[in-house]
Amino acid sequence: SQKIEQNSEALNIQEGKTATLTCNYTNYSPAYLQWYRQDPGRGPVFLLLIRENEKEKRKERLKVTFDTTLKQSLFHITASQPADSATYLCALYRGGKLIFGQGTELSVKP
Amino acid sequence: NAGVTQTPKFQVLKTGQSMTLQCAQDMNHEYMSWYRQDPGMGLRLIHYSVGAGITDQGEVPNGYNVSRSTTEDFPLRLLSAAPSQTSVYFCASSQTSGSGSVPETQYFGPGTRLLVL
Repeated sequence: SQKIEQNSEALNIQEGKTATLTCNYTNYSPAYLQWYRQDPGRGPVFLLLIRENEKEKRKERLKVTFDTTLKQSLFHITASQPADSATYLCALYRGGKLIFGQGTELSVKP
Repeated sequence: NAGVTQTPKFQVLKTGQSMTLQCAQDMNHEYMSWYRQDPGMGLRLIHYSVGAGITDQGEVPNGYNVSRSTTEDFPLRLLSAAPSQTSVYFCASSQTSGSGSVPETQYFGPGTRLLVL
């Protein structure tokens, strides 16, 4: 079965720096990969989708890369702000199912 | 639009009791799904549906039933609650694209917190 791994340790960075989160997967390549943000006590909120034939996607301060050879996606937040503090989840779609990683908690200090 | 709504927000059950978690969406989305979230485990897919009358199993379907009689509603039934089913349950819906009913952006509900004693 598909296995997805995200940094289990929380990521602490200083305001203004770039945060980089990693999502690795095993087995088959997904048709696409998504990133979500989740705040405590709330449901996840969609951020970006990148397809298997795309290398990079950007949206404002967010950038996602997708390397099907390495079986890895990187999620970058540039010029990070304390309001970016949250848990970030990656999700892979294949064969009708959208499967999530366990998430990485990001803390941005002023 | 109300988006995705879930009821109840919080529920306490005794072992062996049954209950139904309600989920409704008003966006005319074909694809709906149920996840459970436990500390350190992320979201795990329980069941999903690509349209009315069509459901399929996810990663952790045991102990749960679903049905999809309308596009709007996708209830999740716990047949005989167990302490291992203590969790936060999220329902999500999505538009689909392509001939394979591929879901796109998932919209999540606010969750139902379930405690089984």
